[in-house]
Amino acid sequence: KAGVTQTPRYLIKTRGQQVTLSCSPISGHRSVSWYQQTPGQGLQFLFEYFSETQRNKGNFPGRFSGRQFSNSRSEMNVSTLELGDSALYLCASSRLLGNEQFFGPGTRLTVL
Amino acid sequence: KQEVTQIPAALSVPEGENLVLNCSFTDSAIYNLQWFRQDPGKGLTSLLLIQSSQREQTSGRLNASLDKSSGRSTLYIAASQPGDSATYLCAMTGGGNKLTFGTGTQLKVEL
Repeated sequence: KAGVTQTPRYLIKTRGQQVTLSCSPISGHRSVSWYQQTPGQGLQFLFEYFSETQRNKGNFPGRFSGRQFSNSRSEMNVSTLELGDSALYLCASSRLLGNEQFFGPGTRLTVL
Repeated sequence: KQEVTQIPAALSVPEGENLVLNCSFTDSAIYNLQWFRQDPGKGLTSLLLIQSSQREQTSGRLNASLDKSSGRSTLYIAASQPGDSATYLCAMTGGGNKLTFGTGTQLKVEL
């Protein structure tokens, strides 16, 4: 059974650009969540989606947005990139709310 | 707001030693607690999930316990091996799937 996949794995952008990251959950999983990991702040929650509905949003500026599609795949978008957006972006999926969550390998975003 | 602390922040042990990693949280109204490991530059690997009605879970050489009344969880690793070297993270949900993560314990198991 395939795990959570994230594309692209690595990304280099310049300040002011925008970026879209993709997450494909494990087959049959309906919940997808996104996290940002940096050395200084650790793992911080971005969004939580279940059946195409955003259930929860972390304390991030409006430049960070996301969505979930009917096939449970999810994307997150960051507009007007800043140097501080450089991080490892991780997504996690679970079958239902409250179930065990499984993480993908992450997308390493570098903003120059 | 849930605050999660893991002690120690770093640990170095010789191969074969049994060890305990600690996770403390301030709000006992948690739903699930999950332990993960993370290898450098990689994603998180789920180790154990303890649901709110459970007190412990075991998988192979790993055993995790949860005491909500005292705000503590422990991860016990038996007969440690060099391949266990990684950062270990505890995380909990208060409902829904939003995980609040601990600060992590960086473990090194030496030959």
